[in-house]
Amino acid sequence: EVQLVESGGGLVPPGGSLRLSCAASGFTLSTNWMSWVRQTPGKGLEWVANIKQDGSDKYYVDSVKGRFTISRDNAENSLYLQMNSLRVEDSAVYYCAREAAVTGWFDPWGQGTLVTVSS
Amino acid sequence: EIVLTQSPATLSLSPGERATLSCRASQSVSSYLAWYQQKPGQAPRLLIYDASNRATGIPARFSGSGSGTDFTLTISSLEPEDFAVYYCQQRYSGKTFGQGTKVEIK
Repeated sequence: EVQLVESGGGLVPPGGSLRLSCAASGFTLSTNWMSWVRQTPGKGLEWVANIKQDGSDKYYVDSVKGRFTISRDNAENSLYLQMNSLRVEDSAVYYCAREAAVTGWFDPWGQGTLVTVSS
Repeated sequence: EIVLTQSPATLSLSPGERATLSCRASQSVSSYLAWYQQKPGQAPRLLIYDASNRATGIPARFSGSGSGTDFTLTISSLEPEDFAVYYCQQRYSGKTFGQGTKVEIK
């Protein structure tokens, strides 16, 4: 069974840092683009970043450029999101999602990890 | 940025009824549109991709149609487990989501 499990969320003050992890199982991570998507009650679902199979290409939504870094370790079947200079508006549930090799859509998603940025 | 507008925001229906959900794009996305279902406390699940293709394991009562700027998700006969929030997403230019349609029990 294909499974994605996020970890690393928590409460952090504005300006702080957090590193999210996503452990993949049931498939070989190196065959897929991977993404981070976040969800808030107010803004809904927002794609945050994605990374190519070998890590050579990375893309970000404008609001996190220069602050967030996506990375992967295919040997460990893991995806990461380093979040620096966190803002209150970064508070959200963060999901990792596989971009399906054939269709390119998000399938499946992990269960999510909650990030709260607050003083 | 391509904006996706979903309507209605809430759809109140009874089990067995037909549900018709709309997603309109601010500019053409060709057929690069997907639909996801999200239940409380769960992650979104892919239902339909490329506007009209059912994802693996998705029941035939779910169907998608449209191209360009206007898309529809139809649930032919609502089952109790179908009451949830549905999101559309485009990947023609960047990746953006609609704000969701909640299908609730009437």
